[in-house]
Amino acid sequence: ETGVTQSPTHLIKTRGQQVTLRCSSQSGHNTVSWYQQALGQGPQFIFQYYREEENGRGNFPPRFSGLQFPNYSSELNVNALELDDSALYLCASSRGGADYNEQFFGPGTRLTVL
Amino acid sequence: AQSVTQPDIHITVSEGASLELRCNYSYGATPYLFWYVQSPGQGLQLLLKYFSGDTLVQGIKGFEAEFKRSQSSFNLRKPSVHWSDAAEYFCAVGDNNAGNMLTFGGGTRLMVKP
Repeated sequence: ETGVTQSPTHLIKTRGQQVTLRCSSQSGHNTVSWYQQALGQGPQFIFQYYREEENGRGNFPPRFSGLQFPNYSSELNVNALELDDSALYLCASSRGGADYNEQFFGPGTRLTVL
Repeated sequence: AQSVTQPDIHITVSEGASLELRCNYSYGATPYLFWYVQSPGQGLQLLLKYFSGDTLVQGIKGFEAEFKRSQSSFNLRKPSVHWSDAAEYFCAVGDNNAGNMLTFGGGTRLMVKP
């Protein structure tokens, strides 16, 4: 069984640019959540996708957007990058549905904004 | 809104000594509670979880945690720490009403002295 994978591993961008991060969910999972982890802090929920629709959003501005594809993989897009967007971006997948389901995390993408 | 507090930012213990990491949460209903561990540059690995039932839960790597509703706490314990346990530990509460969103504490960095 393949776990959650993320690409790229590391990324360096400059302020004002746009970035796309990718996540492949674990086999059998139809829900993907994205989290931002700034240095020295706990992860913060950005949003979640369930069956290709946004299913919850944290306190992040609209320049953070996402997609989920029919194979349940997902993208996180960030426009107009700011220095404070520098962080580890974590993707987590789960089975979804009415009952609470455990989330399995990928290794993350380290984004540096200069 | 739910929240998680981990009062200890850093903890140092000697190898072989016992460990307790504190976690307090704020949540309106019966919480889903988790402890995750993160090694440097890595994603999050689930140590244990509490959904319902027995308030003392066993996890991987010899860890356990006790849910105390009266104290709104979910402290993580290990009777004998190994050098390989040095890492960052995160407590989290899950919200089944918000698409399984996880709210994390700020983390506790554990250092192990030889």
